[in-house]
Amino acid sequence: AQSVTQLDSQVPVFEEAPVELRCNYSSSVSVYLFWYVQYPNQGLQLLLKYLSGSTLVKSINGFEAEFNKSQTSFHLRKPSVHISDTAEYFCAVSGDNAGNMLTFGGGTRLMVKP
Amino acid sequence: EPEVTQTPSHQVTQMGQEVILRCVPISNHLYFYWYRQILGQKVEFLVSFYNNEISEKSEIFDDQFSVERPDGSNFTLKIRSTKLEDSAMYFCASMRNSNQPQHFGDGTRLSIL
Repeated sequence: AQSVTQLDSQVPVFEEAPVELRCNYSSSVSVYLFWYVQYPNQGLQLLLKYLSGSTLVKSINGFEAEFNKSQTSFHLRKPSVHISDTAEYFCAVSGDNAGNMLTFGGGTRLMVKP
Repeated sequence: EPEVTQTPSHQVTQMGQEVILRCVPISNHLYFYWYRQILGQKVEFLVSFYNNEISEKSEIFDDQFSVERPDGSNFTLKIRSTKLEDSAMYFCASMRNSNQPQHFGDGTRLSIL
């Protein structure tokens, strides 16, 4: 069985400040890791993925996440946030099971203030 | 960029009625999923579908639920006799192959009265 923990339900931060959204997972098998973002009244959009290879993955809008196998973490970071980054962020894990079902964390609401 | 589309965006139904939620996955994708998110709770897996059959389902996906890919483009979720606790946002997702990410639709908000 897999589980994902996002320790912070809300993260308030001022514009242009750095941010880290924490994600820890547990799994008995090899995993793929994902961050999805949900803007108000919209669906889930893929932000980042770790499937294999380099443990540091980056998105086109400045976010990055690092897969740390020893700490079973996949924290999301951005060095300078914008108002438009205000959204709910979900960490998710899938294993190499038949259905590749995603197990989601509870989400972190990032609130960027001017 | 191709998208997963879901209809309707909002469905209001009386308790006990049947409801069908519709999804059009990305055209060259082979794996299909339904998830739900009850207000204020986690996104939960319901069912995965591959090669015209269910490959995995959660405990939530009981006999009241069924899925179908009737015509090679649509992927539907049917709830036979809705309950108040079925009120949630339902997300459809599709995936090209097993080492690619899942792509989600914008969801259908189901409200049971």
